[in-house]
Amino acid sequence: QSALTQPASVSGSPGQSITISCTGTSSDIGRYNYVSWYQQHPGKAPKLIIYDVSNRPSGVSNRFSGSKSGNTASLTISGLQAEDEADYYCSSYTISSTVVFGGGTKLTVL
Amino acid sequence: QLQLQESGPGLVKSSETLSLTCTVSGGSISGSSYYWGWIRQPPGKGLEWLGHIYYSGRTYYNPSLKSRVTISVDTSKNQFSLKLSSVTAADTAVYFCARIPGGRGWDFDSWGQGTLVTVSS
Repeated sequence: QSALTQPASVSGSPGQSITISCTGTSSDIGRYNYVSWYQQHPGKAPKLIIYDVSNRPSGVSNRFSGSKSGNTASLTISGLQAEDEADYYCSSYTISSTVVFGGGTKLTVL
Repeated sequence: QLQLQESGPGLVKSSETLSLTCTVSGGSISGSSYYWGWIRQPPGKGLEWLGHIYYSGRTYYNPSLKSRVTISVDTSKNQFSLKLSSVTAADTAVYFCARIPGGRGWDFDSWGQGTLVTVSS
């Protein structure tokens, strides 16, 4: 299975909004509404911030939102804050009953 | 509050078998609707799903590693385990255990802190 495709890096200034894309295929993102997003700070375990495309777990800020169109999912972070600087990973359920991750995107808050 | 903790050797010799255990506290591993999985992250690289298991023993594996990976569960100890055979330097990574809620899209909602395993020649 091939990894989902994410941009290597994105950046934004405090208060701005940024969007991270995650492109898959008709066998994963395009077929199921089972995309999740994770935030990972250096040296820490990933933290789930979005599941099933657009659902936020309890306790996750509503500044994080998710969406999907065709084979591409997106994570939007609004009102960017310094603590949002981290690596972000998408993942999806696949037609083969497996899980595939994206390569990760490094978010820099300028 | 659910907690997961990985344990096992931090150094494994090339061609040998890597063995890790994840101990779950604050909840029962036999609880319905949860799966228990392993993910790894080579230094400076991205996440890779290895596989996961239901308390009944049903397993799902990454096809690229399927011939080398075995995940098992011990409900009496509230633990699940990972074995990865014939390791090479490419298997050097931080290994995370995690919980997967059932009834939705196989996301990982609770993670262990991770343990670094280095494969030496």
